[in-house]
Amino acid sequence: AQTVTQSQPEMSVQEAETVTLSCTYDTSENNYYLFWYKQPPSRQMILVIRQEAYKQQNATENRFSVNFQKAAKSFSLKISDSQLGDTAMYFCAFMKRRNSGGSNYKLTFGKGTLLTVNP
Amino acid sequence: DAMVIQNPRYQVTQFGKPVTLSCSQTLNHNVMYWYQQKSSQAPKLLFHYYDKDFNNEADTPDNFQSRRPNTSFCFLDIRSPGLGDAAMYLCATSRDHQAGEQYFGPGTRLTVT
Repeated sequence: AQTVTQSQPEMSVQEAETVTLSCTYDTSENNYYLFWYKQPPSRQMILVIRQEAYKQQNATENRFSVNFQKAAKSFSLKISDSQLGDTAMYFCAFMKRRNSGGSNYKLTFGKGTLLTVNP
Repeated sequence: DAMVIQNPRYQVTQFGKPVTLSCSQTLNHNVMYWYQQKSSQAPKLLFHYYDKDFNNEADTPDNFQSRRPNTSFCFLDIRSPGLGDAAMYLCATSRDHQAGEQYFGPGTRLTVT
């Protein structure tokens, strides 16, 4: 079974600064995907960034980038130029292809990191 | 442009009184998921439909059932809610061959009195 660990329950950062959220995972799979999802207070969860395990290049999406270390099973999220709207719970998630055929995928989430951006 | 819609956003039910939560999607995705998320915890997958095929997670209690009458709609039925079933219930969808991204609805917060 896969596990995802986020060791920082809460973090805070000043507006315009950079913050890094950590995530480690455990799996025996070779082909999988990693995600960071953002869940703002009282709003729906949205995908921030996605990394495919077979790609060595780290994914980036505007101010969001990841540091994917496959051998170390580490997948951290860096947020540059933090904005007040970045305040949210951030979940790291792992997905492998299920064995039950079709294209059924299951997300395994970490427990989340609550990020607060201070003005 | 709502893509995954959940109704109601807040639901209050009594202990033991059956309740149904609904989810609809405008994405025409084949897969629909139901998650339970308790306060300050990660979402926990209850079950999902791949088209009409129902896939239950091994640790989902029998008290939870689901129906998917067509591609657009999926329902979560809780037959006899207990106090421990109070939670946020999230619906999500994904496409057949899309590499993993799931689209979440805003959730329904269930209170059991």
